[in-house]
Amino acid sequence: DTEVTQTPKHLVMGMTNKKSLKCEQHMGHRAMYWYKQKAKKPPELMFVYSYEKLSINESVPSRFSPECPNSSLLNLHLHALQPEDSALYLCASSQEVISGNTIYFGEGSWLTVV
Amino acid sequence: GENVEQHPSTLSVQEGDSAVIKCTYSDSASNYFPWYKQELGKRPQLIIDIRSNVGEKKDQRIAVTLNKTAKHFSLHITETQPEDSAVYFCAASKGGYQKVTFGTGTKLQVIP
Repeated sequence: DTEVTQTPKHLVMGMTNKKSLKCEQHMGHRAMYWYKQKAKKPPELMFVYSYEKLSINESVPSRFSPECPNSSLLNLHLHALQPEDSALYLCASSQEVISGNTIYFGEGSWLTVV
Repeated sequence: GENVEQHPSTLSVQEGDSAVIKCTYSDSASNYFPWYKQELGKRPQLIIDIRSNVGEKKDQRIAVTLNKTAKHFSLHITETQPEDSAVYFCAASKGGYQKVTFGTGTKLQVIP
């Protein structure tokens, strides 16, 4: 089952709210990712986790806080976001973090910050 | 860091015709080149990929070619169908940590 599931599918939050995006995969993958995608743009890498440890943080503002509770789960905690943070947030996973491993994307969470 | 350029940004073809999308990359150490298809409101999905030790790969109506010397790679879709209409992203990655750099995308429209 090549599935990465994300919840919620849609989220509207105020700039003072705290919310979380959740991601789950049951493919036994050891690498998990968060990407941000604005309209008509390619996905931009935010974070990479390898074996539940944060491997890459692409200079993402601290109002985005990732968490990997176990090998199947990945969360993205959101706090004090700005309207320009509104985007599609894609979770993804791959067998390993090494280049050449197929990256499987979830359907994404559409985030609107008001 | 890696820079991936993609052309054209939009492409319209008649059903049954071929479509070609071209990408260039800047980092000669890049060794993996996936292509993703993203339909409107959907997730990006891998359609084909190629590694740097291979010059060409084909999967039914889709083929990818890689020229390492010139640092460019191309996606070829033959006998296009309306369901091929989507945004296509090329990408490049290298090394130990998979930092995939995406191209800017090509919106393909197949006209019935």
